[in-house]
Amino acid sequence: DAGITQSPRHKVTETGTPVTLRCHQTENHRYMYWYRQDPGHGLRLIHYSYGVKDTDKGEVSDGYSVSRSKTEDFLLTLESATSSQTSVYFCAISVGETQYFGPGTRLLVL
Amino acid sequence: QQQVKQSPQSLIVQKGGIPIINCAYENTAFDYFPWYQQFPGKGPALLIAIRPDVSEKKEGRFTISFNKSAKQFSLHIMDSQPGDSATYFCAASVTGFQKLVFGTGTRLLVSP
Repeated sequence: DAGITQSPRHKVTETGTPVTLRCHQTENHRYMYWYRQDPGHGLRLIHYSYGVKDTDKGEVSDGYSVSRSKTEDFLLTLESATSSQTSVYFCAISVGETQYFGPGTRLLVL
Repeated sequence: QQQVKQSPQSLIVQKGGIPIINCAYENTAFDYFPWYQQFPGKGPALLIAIRPDVSEKKEGRFTISFNKSAKQFSLHIMDSQPGDSATYFCAASVTGFQKLVFGTGTRLLVSP
């Protein structure tokens, strides 16, 4: 997994609660990404970061925010979780044109 | 807007068969086309990639065919094995933009 860890790996939460997912990398790569994976939709980019405190929106950013205060950590926050945010979330880093993915976080919003 | 269309959604072949997965793109600025393989419970992993200056690329039993004029590319798996059973994603990007656009995925099952 290219030195990428995600935490937690599984989470169950209730609608309306805030949730933060963490992505940690060990190799100081500049670019980091958050995707969600849903049946029939493939992988869709939520947000990405091109450096500390430098982030930008992807195609499905509504309801999500991110922060990157250190090179190695990229946090994804659901301010008020909804059932439509039940998904598998993947973090990725890029090395050249290649993206390497973490193991994923399975989130269930009840 | 789906910029990369992938088909079929699922595919079942017998061991030794040659599954073919197709992708079509719209953005002519795309110049990097990777395929990712994903096993259940794991993150996607790069399998093979091609740039539009070549029409075909082989790595082991995996081959990408690329048709620039048709804006299509496909993955062929020669002599498929049960261990190839996975979900395959095509993707596309523009060099330097560091963002991939993914197809919707194909779930492949290779029966023994």
